[in-house]
Amino acid sequence: AQSVTQLGSHVSVSEGALVLLRCNYSSSVPPYLFWYVQYPNQGLQLLLKYTTGATLVKGINGFEAEFKKSETSFHLTKPSAHMSDAAEYFCAVTLDTGRRALTFGSGTRLQVQP
Amino acid sequence: DTAVSQTPKYLVTQMGNDKSIKCEQNLGHDTMYWYKQDSKKFLKIMFSYNNKELIINETVPNRFSPKSPDKAHLNLHINSLELGDSAVYFCASSPGSRENNEQFFGPGTRLTVL
Repeated sequence: AQSVTQLGSHVSVSEGALVLLRCNYSSSVPPYLFWYVQYPNQGLQLLLKYTTGATLVKGINGFEAEFKKSETSFHLTKPSAHMSDAAEYFCAVTLDTGRRALTFGSGTRLQVQP
Repeated sequence: DTAVSQTPKYLVTQMGNDKSIKCEQNLGHDTMYWYKQDSKKFLKIMFSYNNKELIINETVPNRFSPKSPDKAHLNLHINSLELGDSAVYFCASSPGSRENNEQFFGPGTRLTVL
């Protein structure tokens, strides 16, 4: 079975500061990893995904994440936070076994202070 | 054009009632899902259909019954609603292939059981 742990349910940064949201996964087979963003009262939007190939993946809105197999991590970063980045962020994993449902982490709420 | 749509967006009802939530996708995807997001924002898979066939059925009370009349639609019927059913229900779809398993989410249906 797979699982996802997001460290920090709330992260607060100043506008212009580095954003780092942490995600660690547990999986018995190579995982597919995703980051989704949820704005208030909206659905989930895909930020980026890792399937195979390059371990540093770039997504929308200036976000990127690096798959580190040795650390079982897939942390999300953005060099400079913007007020519009304030939202809930979810890390998710699915396995290459034909079972394609996503297992989500518990989410991290990002606050951006002016 | 809305890729994944759900109706209704809000649903307020009394305990014991039966209600349905409808989901439609116009992406031509083969696989559709229902996820439940609880009051703590935790997201969990409920059901998954591939080409109208049920492939994932998590530990969900049998009061919940998904129905897929065709591969573009996946409806969720809930009998004898209970207070604990209050949540946001998200429909999602994906191509369902190993190479492309990105999931697209609908806007959610907020169910409140009084």
